[in-house]
Amino acid sequence: GESVGLHLPTLSVQEGDNSIINCAYSNSASDYFIWYKQESGKGPQFIIDIRSNMDKRQGQRVTVLLNKTVKHLSLQIAATQPGDSAVYFCAERGSNYKLTFGKGTLLTVNP
Amino acid sequence: EAQVTQNPRYLITVTGKKLTVTCSQNMNHEYMSWYRQDPGLGLRQIYYSMNVEVTDKGDVPEGYKVSRKEKRNFPLILESPSPNQTSLYFCASSPLGVQNTEAFFGQGTRLTVV
Repeated sequence: GESVGLHLPTLSVQEGDNSIINCAYSNSASDYFIWYKQESGKGPQFIIDIRSNMDKRQGQRVTVLLNKTVKHLSLQIAATQPGDSAVYFCAERGSNYKLTFGKGTLLTVNP
Repeated sequence: EAQVTQNPRYLITVTGKKLTVTCSQNMNHEYMSWYRQDPGLGLRQIYYSMNVEVTDKGDVPEGYKVSRKEKRNFPLILESPSPNQTSLYFCASSPLGVQNTEAFFGQGTRLTVV
């Protein structure tokens, strides 16, 4: 169930479907962006990154898109699997190498 | 294995009793930081360090101290813990450089202050 005070955006998909998780960032000077996955009881794990001089980067089953005009980042997961169920965070790097994280999106994959 | 190790993983303490959460990384990273994670608020940076003997405040430093006497260690100190410091804490490290500065996270320390 949902904890009091927890208002994560949620995305529920069927196994095998593609997932798209969105993120708006705030600092137009940010030069580096990362997507992290956090499973219950674990620390955030790196998924994929992208530098500000790129607009798309692909990994294994994941793609990150960056739209600097509207300060928007998205993570696409192809053929989503139950093991992809987790909270996903975007992070932007600003000055002093500081990472600022979004609030996160809870992805639930239904078998 | 490259990793960030935090201890303890779980801690219950009483208000006012000083405690230290340790963090150690074996990747020779210059940059280390502490975050707290609270429901609905995401990860917020407490303190960071860009190298030995160089530390600075993050977004929520009140009630915390850190030290960086060695490159691999970055302990978080709560001199007088209060219930509002009940949270999930993460230590992270990353190399400094232009190309790749993803942060590696520890497994977390769940702290309860009663």
